[in-house]
Amino acid sequence: EAGVAQSPRYKIIEKRQSVAFWCNPISGHATLYWYQQILGQGPKLLIQFQNNGVVDDSQLPKDRFSAERLKGVDSTLKIQPAKLEDSAVYLCASSLAGRVGQPQHFGDGTRLSIL
Amino acid sequence: DQQVKQNSPSLSVQEGRISILNCDYTNSMFDYFLWYKKYPAEGPTFLISISSIKDKNEDGRFTVFLNKSAKHLSLHIVPSQPGDSAVYFCAAGNAGNMLTFGGGTRLMVKP
Repeated sequence: EAGVAQSPRYKIIEKRQSVAFWCNPISGHATLYWYQQILGQGPKLLIQFQNNGVVDDSQLPKDRFSAERLKGVDSTLKIQPAKLEDSAVYLCASSLAGRVGQPQHFGDGTRLSIL
Repeated sequence: DQQVKQNSPSLSVQEGRISILNCDYTNSMFDYFLWYKKYPAEGPTFLISISSIKDKNEDGRFTVFLNKSAKHLSLHIVPSQPGDSAVYFCAAGNAGNMLTFGGGTRLMVKP
C-alpha cells in the first residue's frame, strides 16, 4: 500500500511571498489532516477534512493560510503572505473514516524555510 | 496551554535493557492515546495505541500503560534495540479523531 505522498520536500522563500504544498493521501482514506511542526515541538493540527468538507479549522491562521480538498482526494495548503514564524515542517496525514481511534498515517512532510 | 506533555526531552538506554517513555495529559475527555516514532527527515510512524477504557495494550516489544487517575501514560520497549533510536511522540485523540501531540522525547539506544 502506497503511503501519504507530499511535495515538495523542501521549499525556501522570502517573507511576504506565497507558497503551496500538495498532499495525496492513502487510497481509501476519507479523512485528511494538515499539521505544522515547528523545530523542537510536536505536530500541531491546522485543519481536518472529511472527504471534501472541513471538519475543523479552528487552529488555522485564516488571514494567511488556506487549504482545500476539492475532489475529496488530493489536498493543497497555501500560505500567503508568508511570515518568518511560518518556518516549519508541514505534515499531511490521512486515516480511515468512521471509528474513533483510527491511527493517522503521515507523509514525510515539506520543510519550509522563510528568509 | 499544553494539554499533552513529555517532560523528558531525551533518554539514553543500553541495548537490551528496557526503555520507558512517559507522557502526562490534562484533559480527561481524551478518548484514546497513541505513540508515534519519528526518524530524521521522515514523518511520524504509528507505533501503538490505547483506548481510554483500557489500562494496557501490548504489541511485540512495545507496551503502553495508561493510568487515568494520574492522567499519565508510558511506553515500554523491551528489549531496546539500536534501531529504536528516534524521537517518540505521544498523542491524545478526541471523539472527532483530532490529535494533540506532546513535544517528543529523543531516545538513544547504545550498542
